[in-house]
Amino acid sequence: ELKVEQNPLFLSMQEGKNYTIYCNYSTTSDRLYWYRQDPGKSLESLFVLLSNGAVKQEGRLMASLDTKARLSTLHITAAVHDLSATYFCAVVRNAGNMLTFGGGTRLMVKP
Amino acid sequence: IAGITQAPTSQILAAGRRMTLRCTQDMRHNAMYWYRQDLGLGLRLIHYSNTAGTTGKGEVPDGYSVSRANTDDFPLTLASAVPSQTSVYFCASSREAGETQYFGPGTRLLVL
Repeated sequence: ELKVEQNPLFLSMQEGKNYTIYCNYSTTSDRLYWYRQDPGKSLESLFVLLSNGAVKQEGRLMASLDTKARLSTLHITAAVHDLSATYFCAVVRNAGNMLTFGGGTRLMVKP
Repeated sequence: IAGITQAPTSQILAAGRRMTLRCTQDMRHNAMYWYRQDLGLGLRLIHYSNTAGTTGKGEVPDGYSVSRANTDDFPLTLASAVPSQTSVYFCASSREAGETQYFGPGTRLLVL
């Protein structure tokens, strides 16, 4: 059974600070996704990581994947209030097509 | 505007009643999915369909059924609702199975 764990579950940070969200998964995977969800809203796709060492960046967010360690990170640089949301990672099992989601990290960025 | 629509937006339902949540996409995506989102549990896959005419069970399929008569529509039916089915339900689609999924706005369901 594929298990996906995120930490921290909740993160409160000041504007301008840097921080990293971690996503660990239990079995081999060839695809990992990061999504953002604003309160009461749907999920928005941020990144898809397809290979070991893959790195994607969009604005203040950068995601990376280490398939050997079964670990993905979402790094936040110089956080701003608009980044406040819940972030989910989701993993596709090798030779499969179903996503298994982590429990989410709720990020609050304070002015 | 291309995307996924879900109906209803929200619903209060008496236990034991039958309910169908509707999902329609106009992106001509082959694969469609139903998830439920519960506080502290993230999203869990209920059922999926890799292409019109086929369906499969996800992580939490009990108490739910789906059909996929055509590419665009993927309704989710609760045959006899129970309070534990109180949740937010999201429909999603992807061009092909396993590719990036795009989510609908969700249906908030309260079963009393």
